[in-house]
Amino acid sequence: DGGITQSPKYLFRKEGQNVTLSCEQNLNHDAMYWYRQDPGQGLRLIYYSQIVNDFQKGDIAEGYSVSREKKESFPLTVTSAQKNPTAFYLCASSVQRQGADEQFFGPGTRLTVL
Amino acid sequence: GNSVTQMEGPVTLSEEAFLTINCTYTATGYPSLFWYVQYPGEGLQLLLKATKADDKGSNKGFEATYRKETTSFHLEKGSVQVSDSAVYFCALSDLGAGNTPLVFGKGTRLSVIA
Repeated sequence: DGGITQSPKYLFRKEGQNVTLSCEQNLNHDAMYWYRQDPGQGLRLIYYSQIVNDFQKGDIAEGYSVSREKKESFPLTVTSAQKNPTAFYLCASSVQRQGADEQFFGPGTRLTVL
Repeated sequence: GNSVTQMEGPVTLSEEAFLTINCTYTATGYPSLFWYVQYPGEGLQLLLKATKADDKGSNKGFEATYRKETTSFHLEKGSVQVSDSAVYFCALSDLGAGNTPLVFGKGTRLSVIA
């Protein structure tokens, strides 16, 4: 079955440590996105990538980094520079086709900083 | 810029009650409009969409009509069930822009009690 997988589902890290969240899709989608979700704030865009080897900052990119070396994969690194990283992180993808705008989401990773 | 405004929750209804969740938008072009649903601990799922004025999206008993004159896309269901308890997000994208990130509202939490 095609879809988006995120791992792990729950992640704990100590303050000052970098951590990488995985996002893989087998939908053959060109574009991938990372969102952060905090209670009562909806979804905020961190980074997105429209093609391999290219990505753009979203609204809250500070303290995060990404790479897009393969079409299927878009890992997100939460660095120690992110001051409040505890949140629910959602990855999404979409197809490169005019008029096909909807995004497909993974199940999310809940990150807790101890 | 583009933006989405949803009614604030939480919304609490009894089973079989009528549901309306208001959504209005601001857009410079002619966006596509979406409703996504998020069940507890999960990612977002596309509930329905509409791509042009007067289009009605529908799925699982939910409906929303794209009203250009009032810039609205209100979500309705005639008879809610306990299983509809979730957070609902209204979103838009620039029609034809392809692979641009969606703009989300803050979400409306719905609780349905038996």
